[in-house]
Amino acid sequence: GAGVSQSPSNKVTEKGKDVELRCDPISGHTALYWYRQSLGQGLEFLIYFQGNSAPDKSGLPSDRFSAERTGGSVSTLTIQRTQQEDSAVYLCASSLGTGNNSPLHFGNGTRLTVT
Amino acid sequence: GNSVTQMEGPVTLSEEAFLTINCTYTATGYPSLFWYVQYPGEGLQLLLKATKADDKGSNKGFEATYRKETTSFHLEKGSVQVSDSAVYFCALISGAGSYQLTFGKGTKLSVIP
Repeated sequence: GAGVSQSPSNKVTEKGKDVELRCDPISGHTALYWYRQSLGQGLEFLIYFQGNSAPDKSGLPSDRFSAERTGGSVSTLTIQRTQQEDSAVYLCASSLGTGNNSPLHFGNGTRLTVT
Repeated sequence: GNSVTQMEGPVTLSEEAFLTINCTYTATGYPSLFWYVQYPGEGLQLLLKATKADDKGSNKGFEATYRKETTSFHLEKGSVQVSDSAVYFCALISGAGSYQLTFGKGTKLSVIP
């Protein structure tokens, strides 16, 4: 079946511009996560959505970052006024639930380059 | 807080060599431990997991044993193949109902024929 789909796969933008990254989770998965993978770093948690609950935004690095999840499915991560340090691979994942028995399924990521 | 430390790469091995990638962790409570693998051009995939002390996770010839006394979860494979070339991430979840995976920085493995 279809996995987690992210678009675009690559995005090059100029410093100061806004970007939107999209994630289509696996159908029926209630949990959705965004992570950031920077060169030489591990994966950094950004935000978590679970059903209709308020999202956990504790990992967002600044107020230029925001995310929403419409209808409990598709999610969009928006970065306003991009900076060069925002360059990274942004990974989306979804899972049936949470905890040990609900493994995360990751998309292939969006590689963002800010020039 | 939680943290995961894994050996720095890159690691280059010849085909059929033995592989060990070290992983140690710091966590509150009793974490569940995971290894994820990222093949070139693909997303991360769960490779194996262990949810309690002395558990051994295994998949595709890879193994890792949850060692509480040494807070370690080292990844091993007896005979690597070229197709095992990828980046390997050690990760943990800690706490009941927890959902936030804490990842190591990843170890890039290259296997040469």
